[in-house]
Amino acid sequence: DTEVTQTPKHLVMGMTNKKSLKCEQHMGHRAMYWYKQKAKKPPELMFVYSYEKLSINESVPSRFSPECPNSSLLNLHLHALQPEDSALYLCASSSLMASDPEAFFGQGTRLTVV
Amino acid sequence: AQTVTQSQPEMSVQEAETVTLSCTYDTSESNYYLFWYKQPPSRQMILVIRQEAYKQQNATENRFSVNFQKAAKSFSLKISDSQLGDTAMYFCAFMKRQGGGTSYGKLTFGQGTILTVHP
Repeated sequence: DTEVTQTPKHLVMGMTNKKSLKCEQHMGHRAMYWYKQKAKKPPELMFVYSYEKLSINESVPSRFSPECPNSSLLNLHLHALQPEDSALYLCASSSLMASDPEAFFGQGTRLTVV
Repeated sequence: AQTVTQSQPEMSVQEAETVTLSCTYDTSESNYYLFWYKQPPSRQMILVIRQEAYKQQNATENRFSVNFQKAAKSFSLKISDSQLGDTAMYFCAFMKRQGGGTSYGKLTFGQGTILTVHP
């Protein structure tokens, strides 16, 4: 099973709403990632978790709050977002083995902030 | 810091023909990985092929192969016998290899090349 599952696939939220994006993998990977992608642009790294601990935060605004409850799950909590935060949010996972470095991506959540 | 450059914003090819996508990168690291990912309209990023920098042999994966020129910092992707399902945006990506037999971290992507395969 080489699947990363993200829910929901689409999300529309107001600027005062609180919502969460969810990501799940069952490949035994111990590194998980959040990326943000604008249309026709490359993904931009937001956060990296390794062994359920936050290891990289790419200076992301505090209105985005990641959480890794266990080795299979990754959440992204959203609060007081701006319209410019509308984008495709991609979750990915990878092993921590140097022999197996590739990241596997989910299908993403298309977020629209109104 | 690493940079990855894809100089071809868009390319097109006829079905069954061969096409090559270009990628150059700049890094001071000696241990790293290079990847090609494709992103079809379904949005999911799919790994196409990977290359470890310490390996001189070019990676191949069925109809996909790379030309890895480490000294020139070039990593091109050749798609043979192009199929309609190859239509997608292709990203070249760099990842630094961490020490101690582990690896995780930032994927640095190029700007992408939109490939259209025509029937």
